[in-house]
Amino acid sequence: AQSVTQLDSQVPVFEEAPVELRCNYSSSVSVYLFWYVQYPNQGLQLLLKYLSGSTLVKGINGFEAEFNKSQTSFHLRKPSVHISDTAEYFCAVSEAAGNKLTFGGGTRVLVKP
Amino acid sequence: EPEVTQTPSHQVTQMGQEVILRCVPISNHLYFYWYRQILGQKVEFLVSFYNNEISEKSEIFDDQFSVERPDGSNFTLKIRSTKLEDSAMYFCASRPGLTGNTIYFGEGSWLTVV
Repeated sequence: AQSVTQLDSQVPVFEEAPVELRCNYSSSVSVYLFWYVQYPNQGLQLLLKYLSGSTLVKGINGFEAEFNKSQTSFHLRKPSVHISDTAEYFCAVSEAAGNKLTFGGGTRVLVKP
Repeated sequence: EPEVTQTPSHQVTQMGQEVILRCVPISNHLYFYWYRQILGQKVEFLVSFYNNEISEKSEIFDDQFSVERPDGSNFTLKIRSTKLEDSAMYFCASRPGLTGNTIYFGEGSWLTVV
């Protein structure tokens, strides 16, 4: 079975500053990794995913994440945030041959002007 | 862009009542899911459905829960006798194929049991 830990439950950040959201996972098999975003009063939207290949993955809205197999991490970054990036961000993992996603606890990002 | 739609967006029900949450997955998707998120907790997997049967379910998905795809477009979650602890946001999701494909989520149905 796999598990996902998001180390920060809340991250306040000023507009135009960089942000990094940390995600670590554990699994005994190969995994796929995902970041989802949930804007206020909306559903879960995929930001980006890592399946294989280049460990640096670029997603929508200027986000990117880097897969680090040795550290079992998949941290999400954005070099310059906007007010509109205020949302909750979820890291998730699925087994490469699996069927379901296992989510982390989420990180709430509050972008301040 | 196609999307997963869920109804109702919010439902309040009395403890012990039956609730049906409805979902219309994205057309041509083959895998369907229900997840839930109790306030302040993780998004948790409940059940997956493929080829008109449950393919996997979690420990949470006990006998009070059931899923159905009655007409080839809707996908429903029934909670037979609701408990206070069933209060949560319930997300429906669908996926075109299996390996590596993105799971698309609906906006959720917020269930409050009083």
